[in-house]
This record gives sequence, C-alpha cells and structure tokens, in this order.
Amino acid sequence: KAGVTQTPRYLIKTRGQQVTLSCSPISGHRSVSWYQQTPGQGLQFLFEYFSETQRNKGNFPGRFSGRQFSNSRSEMNVSTLELGDSALYLCASSFRGSLGEQYFGPGTRLTVT
Amino acid sequence: AQTVTQSQPEMSVQEAETVTLSCTYDTSESDYYLFWYKQPPSRQMILVIRQEAYKQQNATENRFSVNFQKAAKSFSLKISDSQLGDAAMYFCAYRSAKETSGSRLTFGEGTQLTVNP
Repeated sequence: KAGVTQTPRYLIKTRGQQVTLSCSPISGHRSVSWYQQTPGQGLQFLFEYFSETQRNKGNFPGRFSGRQFSNSRSEMNVSTLELGDSALYLCASSFRGSLGEQYFGPGTRLTVT
Repeated sequence: AQTVTQSQPEMSVQEAETVTLSCTYDTSESDYYLFWYKQPPSRQMILVIRQEAYKQQNATENRFSVNFQKAAKSFSLKISDSQLGDAAMYFCAYRSAKETSGSRLTFGEGTQLTVNP
C-alpha cells in the first residue's frame, strides 16, 4: 500500500505570494492533519480534516487555510507569505480519525525569500 | 491545554548499548495516547511505539520499550542494542482520546540521538 505523498517536495516563494501544498493520504484513510515544523517553534498542529470537514484547528492566522476533497486528498494554502512561514510542512493521515495511528508524509520544504 | 516536555536536547550512545530518552507531559485528562516518533535526516516521521493511557502494561516493539508512569506523567523510551540506524531526532507526542480532539498531536521539543560506532 502506498504511503502518504506530498507535493511538491521543495518550494521557493517570495514574500507576499501565496502557495498551495498537496497531500494524498494512504488509501482508505479519511483523516488528514497538517503540521508546521520550524527550528524555533518545533512541530505545531495546523488543522485536521475528516470527511471533507475541518475538525480541528491550531493557533495559526487566517492566512493558513485548507480543504479536503471527496477522495480524501487535502490541500493547504498560505496567502501573503511571510519570511517566518519558511518551514517543513508535514501531512499525516489516519484511518479512523481519533482512534487510528497517524502516518506521515515526507513533507514539503517551503522557503520564503 | 496539554504540554509535552523533552528535557534532553541531545543524547549519545555507543553502538550495542542501551539508552533512555525522557518525556514528561501535563494534562488534566485521564484517557489519552502517547507516542514516540523518530525523524531521521530524511525528515520522514516514523512511528516507533504507542501507549494507551488506560493500559498499565508498558508497550514494547522489538528493541524499543517504554516506561509509562501515569501518576508521574512520565513516558520514557528505552532503546536496547542501539544500532547506527537509530540515529535520529526522537519526538514524544500526546493525543487526547476525546472525540472532539480528533487526531491532533502535541509534540515535545525533540531529542537528537547520536549513535557512536
């Protein structure tokens, strides 16, 4: 069974631009969570989607948004990029939402210049 | 809100030896899950071991075992017979068992483990 895939793997953007990251969960998994990893703040929860609905949201500004499609694939969008948004963005999927273990993708490395 | 603390930013161990990584957490909940994840230089997060809070028995996965002390809110990871491939950043993570919390994980700061040949 294929693992969690994330595209693109690397991205360079300029301040003020917007970016969309994609995550395809393991087949059959309906929950997708997003995390931001930075050297200063560590791993922080962004949001979780389950059956196309946002179930949980972390403490991030409204510039960070996401959505989930009927095939469980998820996208996250960051508008008006800031230098501080440079990070590794990790996506994780699980089978039964709150009961299943989470499996992580390889991440998307975003650099904002 | 729950917090997870890993007080050892770095640890080192000789190959074939045993090392223990520490983790403490703070929560007012009685039902939750605890995890150890490994993140090698490739940045791929890999689940090492999980523990359900309602289980008194400590979880074990091959060379990896935990010491779960619920009253002390402590969850340490023991790696036996350390191998070079164990070198990575290790994260302790907490997840509430409440349905409303979903799959949200709260992570500790991480412990960088070096394995010396």
